[in-house]
Amino acid sequence: KNQVEQSPQSLIILEGKNCTLQCNYTVSPFSNLRWYKQDTGRGPVSLTIMTFSENTKSNGRYTATLDADTKQSSLHITASQLSDSASYICVVGLSGGYNKLIFGAGTRLAVHP
Amino acid sequence: SQTIHQWPATLVQPVGSPLSLECTVEGTSNPNLYWYRQAAGRGLQLLFYSVGIGQISSEVPQNLSASRPQDRQFILSSKKLLLSDSGFYLCAWSGRQLGSSENEQFFGPGTRLTVL
Repeated sequence: KNQVEQSPQSLIILEGKNCTLQCNYTVSPFSNLRWYKQDTGRGPVSLTIMTFSENTKSNGRYTATLDADTKQSSLHITASQLSDSASYICVVGLSGGYNKLIFGAGTRLAVHP
Repeated sequence: SQTIHQWPATLVQPVGSPLSLECTVEGTSNPNLYWYRQAAGRGLQLLFYSVGIGQISSEVPQNLSASRPQDRQFILSSKKLLLSDSGFYLCAWSGRQLGSSENEQFFGPGTRLTVL
């Protein structure tokens, strides 16, 4: 069964601190791994997309890593800001077909001043 | 640039009433279109996808149906809502490049549906 699991479920950090979110997946056939940011009551917005051959990808203060051998990914947020408070969703794309995505349940991040 | 619209933003409906949610995309042609539902604390679940006008595929059996009357219009419907239909409904689109499965999906703002 295709699954994407994220940890922790929720996280509280102080403004300016760094944090790392984890994602484990069992998805086949694997095509790509994405991280999305979802503000409360809004649609998800893409942060990064990595294919099988990519180990890391950055988008500003967000850095995603991918270990295709262990089927793990992480999202590192540097120098957190209050606006980083959101849910972060790990998503794995399947190869072939119509671009099917498997979504994790997300990590809810709260950045406090 | 491309934009995706959904309406209404919020909706409260009684059990047994009909439903119609609309999604439109601007600035692109022949998009793949998707309807997702997001339950609290759960990952997004794909309900329907469409690769062209009148072409609808369903991922899970349910009380809902979808239609694509125009290239950039995607409608989610129900004849009789159930309590379990409550949730956050998201429409998304992606480009259609032959042989590519990395096409990014762009999500709409969502519709919060509460069935009472």
